[in-house]
Amino acid sequence: DQQVKQNSPSLSVQEGRISILNCDYTNSMFDYFLWYKKYPAEGPTFLISISSIKDKNEDGRFTVFLNKSAKHLSLHIVPSQPGDSAVYFCAASPLSYGKLTFGQGTILTVHP
Amino acid sequence: DAGVIQSPRHEVTEMGQEVTLRCKPISGHDYLFWYRQTMMRGLELLIYFNNNVPIDDSGMPEDRFSAKMPNASFSTLKIQPSEPRDSAVYFCASSFSGRGAYEQYFGPGTRLTVT
Repeated sequence: DQQVKQNSPSLSVQEGRISILNCDYTNSMFDYFLWYKKYPAEGPTFLISISSIKDKNEDGRFTVFLNKSAKHLSLHIVPSQPGDSAVYFCAASPLSYGKLTFGQGTILTVHP
Repeated sequence: DAGVIQSPRHEVTEMGQEVTLRCKPISGHDYLFWYRQTMMRGLELLIYFNNNVPIDDSGMPEDRFSAKMPNASFSTLKIQPSEPRDSAVYFCASSFSGRGAYEQYFGPGTRLTVT
C-alpha cells in the first residue's frame, strides 16, 4: 500500500520556465510534508516543508502548496535552472513525531 | 560540520557473507534512521533510533538484519547472512528533535552488491 504517490516518474522543463512536481497521499494522519532533492551518488537533501496548518510555504525559487481536502501537494520551482535537474521526493509524517514515508520520486530535467 | 558519514561507500560481497554498514550522525542530533533504496520499493525506512534507543524496527525485512547504536555518534546495520536480494543503496540519516525532527540529513549512502 503506497501511502505517498508521485505519479509522474519524470518531468522535462526548459530553463527559466516553471517546474511543477506533484504528490498525492492517502493517510489522513499525515500532518507534515517535505520535499527532498537527490543528485546521483548522493543522499537526499532537504529542500522545503509545510505543515498541515498552512496551505503554502515559500523559500526563494521554491514554493510548496498543500491541498488537504484533495490530499495533494505540489512543488513549484520558478524559474527552473539546469542545476535543479535531480530526483525529487516528497515525504510525509504524522504530527506526533513518526517516520517519514517517501514517494517514489520524480526525475526533473531542466534543459538549457 | 562534516554531515552524516557512512562507510564503506561501496561494498561487494558474496552471498552468505556478513556485511556491516557504519554511520556517524551529525553531532547533536538525537534521531538516527536507516533507509534502503531499491528500484522496486523506492526509499523505505528500516529502523530508527531516538537517543540511541531503537524506536521502530518494523521496516527491518527479516531477522538477518540487525542494527545497533552503542552511543550517540555511531550506528551499525548488519546483514548476516547476506543474499542477492539485499543489493541496494543503504542510507543513514539523522535529525534533531529541537527542530521537530522532520528535517532529516542523509549521508551519501552505501551501495551494497551481493553476488
